[in-house]
Formats: sequence, C-alpha cells, structure tokens
Amino acid sequence: AQTVTQSQPEMSVQEAETVTLSCTYDTSESDYYLFWYKQPPSRQMILVIRQEAYKQQNATENRFSVNFQKAAKSFSLKISDSQLGDAAMYFCAYRSGGSNYKLTFGKGTLLTVNP
Amino acid sequence: GAVVSQHPSWVICKSGTSVKIECRSLDFQATTMFWYRQFPKQSLMLMATSNEGSKATYEQGVEKDKFLINHASLTLSTLTVTSAHPEDSSFYICSGVIGAYGYTFGSGTRLTVV
Repeated sequence: AQTVTQSQPEMSVQEAETVTLSCTYDTSESDYYLFWYKQPPSRQMILVIRQEAYKQQNATENRFSVNFQKAAKSFSLKISDSQLGDAAMYFCAYRSGGSNYKLTFGKGTLLTVNP
Repeated sequence: GAVVSQHPSWVICKSGTSVKIECRSLDFQATTMFWYRQFPKQSLMLMATSNEGSKATYEQGVEKDKFLINHASLTLSTLTVTSAHPEDSSFYICSGVIGAYGYTFGSGTRLTVV
C-alpha cells in the first residue's frame, strides 16, 4: 500500500517570506498523481496544486510551486510571498493512476504565518 | 466549479440514536463519493467508497453496520451513523470525483454525540 509522509507537524513563516513543506511517498507504481490540499480553520478542503507523475515539469499555481523528484519520491510545496491567509493545515495526497480514485493523505503540516 | 453540498454542518444527537449526513452534487454527476472521518488536528481517514447504484466498499476496521452508506442516485450520497455513541463524535467529510483526477469536498459535518 502507498504511504505518504509529512515529516513536519508544524511550520511557521513570516509574512512575505518563503516556506517549503516536505512530503515523501512510497509507491511501486509509475503512474500516479500527487496533490497538495489546504484546510483552513473552516475545515473546507481546498486544492492547492496537482502534479501528474508523467510530467517532468514542476507544477506551479501563482505563489505555489512544487519540487517533484520522482526518483527520490519527494513532492515538496513552496509557498512564496506568504500571506496571512495561507495559514492552514496542509495535506499532501497520493492517488494511483489507474481506475482507483482513492486518495492517501499524509498526516498534515500546520502552517502558521506571522505578521 | 463542481460543488458538493454537505448537510448538516453540525449536529448533536443523543447516544443510541441515528443521524444521517447528506452530500449532494449540485452541478455534476457523482458516480463515486468518498466518506472520510477526521479527528481534531489529524488527517482525513477514509471510511468508505460509495458508487452509485452499488454497495459501498468499506475500509478495514470500519463497521459497515454502524456507518450505513447509500448512493442511490448520481446526485446524492448519504452516511447514516446508527446507534451513535460518544466515540462516534468526529468531523465527517464527503468528496466527489470529478473527471479523471479532480475532487471536490463537502464542507464537513461536525457530529457530537451526548
């Protein structure tokens, strides 16, 4: 079974600075998808960014970008120019590339943004 | 974008009673719906996968007789917690599958059993 590991239970960053959240995963598959989700205090799950394993180019969405290292099975999230609204729990998630749509979530990283 | 409407957002029930949580897909057909449970400051734990018109598939350790899932239409999936006990108190979230690799999550239901 696939596992997703987020080794940083908590992280903090100063407003306007950059922070990187770590995620590693374990799989024997070659085709899969990786996600970063944000869960603010409202507890609504919000997609931050998605990466298809077959794509070598790292995904970016405005201030959010990933460093996808397929061989190392690493998928870190970089948040640039951090804003107070970025404060949330961040979950890394894995999905197999076949017809099984199950998501496997990491334990999460609680990000605090200091003004 | 695709929206899943989850109700109620919070519910308090007495021990021994049953409570139903609904998730409706408002603008897409939810062939598959996932149900998660989340304890405070913890991750989402998958409870079961429901597919429209068929029996739900439960994860190991989840009591299928306690957590009844029904997915009778492409727009409605329900989770009924039967004979609820205080240890069933938690945050429950549903998620619909969109396209090949998209997901939309309900806003969650906070269940408190007293």
